[in-house]
Amino acid sequence: SQTIHQWPATLVQPVGSPLSLECTVEGTSNPNLYWYRQAAGRGLQLLFYSVGIGQISSEVPQNLSASRPQDRQFILSSKKLLLSDSGFYLCAWRVGGVEQYFGPGTRLTVT
Amino acid sequence: AQSVTQLDSQVPVFEEAPVELRCNYSSSVSVYLFWYVQYPNQGLQLLLKYLSGSTLVKGINGFEAEFNKSQTSFHLRKPSVHISDTAEYFCAVTTNTGNQFYFGTGTSLTVIP
Repeated sequence: SQTIHQWPATLVQPVGSPLSLECTVEGTSNPNLYWYRQAAGRGLQLLFYSVGIGQISSEVPQNLSASRPQDRQFILSSKKLLLSDSGFYLCAWRVGGVEQYFGPGTRLTVT
Repeated sequence: AQSVTQLDSQVPVFEEAPVELRCNYSSSVSVYLFWYVQYPNQGLQLLLKYLSGSTLVKGINGFEAEFNKSQTSFHLRKPSVHISDTAEYFCAVTTNTGNQFYFGTGTSLTVIP
């Protein structure tokens, strides 16, 4: 069966520091991959999605970027974090069907 | 574009009572509809989905939802809730590409003993 991993689980970073969050999927090939952000008390906002290695679509312009160096690896990055980047970051995957399946998430606090 | 409205941000309900969480959507094209559940500090878990066919769909944990095209609604129901159902519930919609999911702002269900 498929599983999705995210790390780290929690992260506290100062303003202006870099960021790297990683997501990996096991048990499937050629997944579509997604990064969402969930701010406190709000719904989910799609940040990026990828339909293949090196292919990234950005939904919201901001100081974040994404990369997909391998088929089942999706990375979310920033060169300089802002306070507004705090939130719960969720990675999701989709293969074949329409539904998306979510990872456990990373809680990011920017101080 | 599509959008989702969850009409109730918080729903308290007593244990073993029925519950309905409301979801309305707007779209100019055919959509697929989903309900997800999120427990504290966890990811989202798929409860159920409507893709086509019967408008009454059953999901995990005894939940069901009914797709009403004329009212553009997809309300979630459970006849008897348990303490363990306390969580955040999200309604979501997408189209046939499946890449752009639109989520509601969530409904916090609290089951009172």
